[in-house]
Amino acid sequence: GAVVSQHPSWVICKSGTSVKIECRSLDFQATTMFWYRQFPKQSLMLMATSNEGSKATYEQGVEKDKFLINHASLTLSTLTVTSAHPEDSSFYICSARGIAATDTQYFGPGTRLTVL
Amino acid sequence: QKEVEQNSGPLSVPEGAIASLNCTYSDRGSQSFFWYRQYSGKSPELIMFIYSNGDKEDGRFTAQLNKASQYVSLLIRDSQPSDSATYLCAVEGDKLIFGTGTRLQVFP
Repeated sequence: GAVVSQHPSWVICKSGTSVKIECRSLDFQATTMFWYRQFPKQSLMLMATSNEGSKATYEQGVEKDKFLINHASLTLSTLTVTSAHPEDSSFYICSARGIAATDTQYFGPGTRLTVL
Repeated sequence: QKEVEQNSGPLSVPEGAIASLNCTYSDRGSQSFFWYRQYSGKSPELIMFIYSNGDKEDGRFTAQLNKASQYVSLLIRDSQPSDSATYLCAVEGDKLIFGTGTRLQVFP
């Protein structure tokens, strides 16, 4: 089956620092990758959609200068949380979709970010 | 605002019973419908997907879709304590939108 990995699985950082999260599709090529955020007891909220080789599309209310997304290859997307603050503490989950637009999204295991 | 609504629960059922989870959605243009299971602290795991009206069965799970009523359901037969989790309904039109989930508790 399709496998998506994320690294790191958890990270603790000080306020004001930047954190990079990697999302990789291990056994398929992902034309499109998605980044979600989930706060405690809430559902997943889509932050942005990225297509390989082009700029990410951000959802309303998500600051693109704060959450930098790079999708440089068909197997790797990165999310960088710049100048992180405690309110950015959350569970960040990526998903990847194969070449066909009708392919199912496969989710990574998530990254727990805690900003002190 | 496109929405997906679920009862937050908890839904408590005894082991061996049928658990019925429901979901309604607002976007009539939605084309794909998914059920995910999420254990605490973990990422969602795809249980089933359904595209057409009617029922779709996979092992102990049956997904039901009624596009006219904008309603999706998931039945879990012979519920097991290991089924205890939060079940997320997700609906895809131009993007995937998740409901807030229903917490299922299966007690021995």
